[in-house]
Amino acid sequence: AQTVTQSQPEMSVQEAETVTLSCTYDTSESDYYLFWYKQPPSRQMILVIRQEAYKQQNATENRFSVNFQKAAKSFSLKISDSQLGDAAMYFCAYRGNTGNQFYFGTGTSLTVIP
Amino acid sequence: NAGVTQTPKFRILKIGQSMTLQCTQDMNHNYMYWYRQDPGMGLKLIYYSVGAGITDKGEVPNGYNVSRSTTEDFPLRLELAAPSQTSVYFCASSYSGGSNQPQHFGDGTRLSIL
Repeated sequence: AQTVTQSQPEMSVQEAETVTLSCTYDTSESDYYLFWYKQPPSRQMILVIRQEAYKQQNATENRFSVNFQKAAKSFSLKISDSQLGDAAMYFCAYRGNTGNQFYFGTGTSLTVIP
Repeated sequence: NAGVTQTPKFRILKIGQSMTLQCTQDMNHNYMYWYRQDPGMGLKLIYYSVGAGITDKGEVPNGYNVSRSTTEDFPLRLELAAPSQTSVYFCASSYSGGSNQPQHFGDGTRLSIL
């Protein structure tokens, strides 16, 4: 089975600053998809951004962008101009092109300091 | 716009009791999933379904059963509740098995087995 590793259990950032959350994964597949989900205290899982492995261009959604390094199997999330509402657990997820399962990391808890 | 609806939101069970966690989605999604999230951990897949009448095991299926008689509903049954099943349970759905399709999550069910 594929594994997804988030090595930062907790991170903090000053409001309006930039923070990067790390994610690495292990796979033997060449085509797959990667996702970042946000889980605020309300527990709802919200899709933040996704990346197709066959695309070299890094995905961007407003203040959220990724640094996808396929050879290194790394998929980090950068949050620019951090806002108080960004405080949440962030989960990295992997899905292969042939399977039906998502694999999630253990999450990074992000605190935004006013 | 209901999306994925889970009931109940909270439940306390005694060891050995049974219960069914309900999940319904109104987005006409083919794929549905059940996850559990233990404290400080990522989501683990219990069961999933690729369409009505079709279900398959995920990473941690022991102690659970599912059925998928309709496209909309995907209930999860615990037959003999055990303390190890204390967790937060999430139901999710996606339009198809296409790997770029994100999952839409319900708000979760917090289940305690005492």
